[in-house]
Amino acid sequence: DAGVTQSPTHLIKTRGQQVTLRCSPKSGHDTVSWYQQALGQGPQFIFQYYEEEERQRGNFPDRFSGHQFPNYSSELNVNALLLGDSALYLCASSPGQVVREKLFFGSGTQLSVL
Amino acid sequence: TQLLEQSPQFLSIQEGENLTVYCNSSSVFSSLQWYRQEPGEGPVLLVTVVTGGEVKKLKRLTFQFGDARKDSSLHITAAQTGDTGLYLCAASGGYQKVTFGTGTKLQVIP
Repeated sequence: DAGVTQSPTHLIKTRGQQVTLRCSPKSGHDTVSWYQQALGQGPQFIFQYYEEEERQRGNFPDRFSGHQFPNYSSELNVNALLLGDSALYLCASSPGQVVREKLFFGSGTQLSVL
Repeated sequence: TQLLEQSPQFLSIQEGENLTVYCNSSSVFSSLQWYRQEPGEGPVLLVTVVTGGEVKKLKRLTFQFGDARKDSSLHITAAQTGDTGLYLCAASGGYQKVTFGTGTKLQVIP
């Protein structure tokens, strides 16, 4: 049973470029949440997708957008990259929209913006 | 916005020592989770506490949820090098979003 998988593992971009990160949730999970984590800090909630719709959003600009596909996989898109967007981007999946008990995380995508 | 403040931010101890990490907030939570994250990996859930005053033990780790459900602590007895990592508390006051604490980076020196 595969857990949460994310791709790519590492990515280097330059300012102004656009990036797409991908996530496949754990088998049986239909809800995907995306987090941004700066080095040594706690993850910051970006948004959550359930039934192919964005259900809740954190304090991130519109440059951050996402999508969920019918197979529950998800993409995170970031436009007009800034140096401050350099971080570890984590995807987490859970069974059902009511996220009370447990999030399963992928290993993340390390994004470096030069 | 729920804020979860963790202390200390950094902790470096010798193997065999005991330690306590704290997670505090002004908000009341329906449940609180503790995660551990190792370098290059995503956070992994250690425990969920639900009831005020609840104490849970996981081998050498003891977790306590405050009576008012606003704070929690994690105590590690006889730390080992394998305990090294970033410890995160997290809470889900609303049903859609999990908020993480500021994190405590623990280094256990052999």
